[in-house]
Amino acid sequence: SQKIEQNSEALNIQEGKTATLTCNYTNYSPAYLQWYRQDPGRGPVFLLLIRENEKEKRKERLKVTFDTTLKQSLFHITASQPADSATYLCALGGLSGGSYIPTFGRGTSLIVHP
Amino acid sequence: DAGVIQSPRHEVTEMGQEVTLRCKPISGHNSLFWYRQTMMRGLELLIYFNNNVPIDDSGMPEDRFSAKMPNASFSTLKIQPSEPRDSAVYFCASSLVRASNTGELFFGEGSRLTVL
Repeated sequence: SQKIEQNSEALNIQEGKTATLTCNYTNYSPAYLQWYRQDPGRGPVFLLLIRENEKEKRKERLKVTFDTTLKQSLFHITASQPADSATYLCALGGLSGGSYIPTFGRGTSLIVHP
Repeated sequence: DAGVIQSPRHEVTEMGQEVTLRCKPISGHNSLFWYRQTMMRGLELLIYFNNNVPIDDSGMPEDRFSAKMPNASFSTLKIQPSEPRDSAVYFCASSLVRASNTGELFFGEGSRLTVL
């Protein structure tokens, strides 16, 4: 069956360091992969999208890689700040009803300590 | 822009009661999604609409759940009768889906449902 795996344990890092979050998947052939940020009591907010034919995408302090051979995406936040503390969700664009619809992982909590 | 608007933000009800959750998508978006989020199962897609037409409702857990989108600016998710296991946060999201179908989702703030 299709599965999206994100580390359920919170990632604790020190301010200024690079945070790296992992998204692994099985039995998927996603057309794209998205990363969202979710703060407590709020809805997810879109951050980045990377397509299946792209290896890497950057946006300010964020970097996403996508390895369709390893079936893995890595999400990096450089020079992390306490304000980056949140849950980060990956979502894979899979075919559903003729359209590519995001299916979400359960997310990984990031805690950046000052 | 107002973003996706959901109501109510919080709902506490008793088992067996009918619950109606409401969503106003972003103007101009052509797709609307209902997701449910729990600690155990994460964010699950319940149903999505494209141009007001339900496309895939395979995620709707049971016949107790129904969703409608009578026009481009309004959708409802109804649970009747509600059960304690329906307790979750329900999110509505909208998107402008084009041929490339990689549109980002814009989520509302969610409706937290507690069924006693």
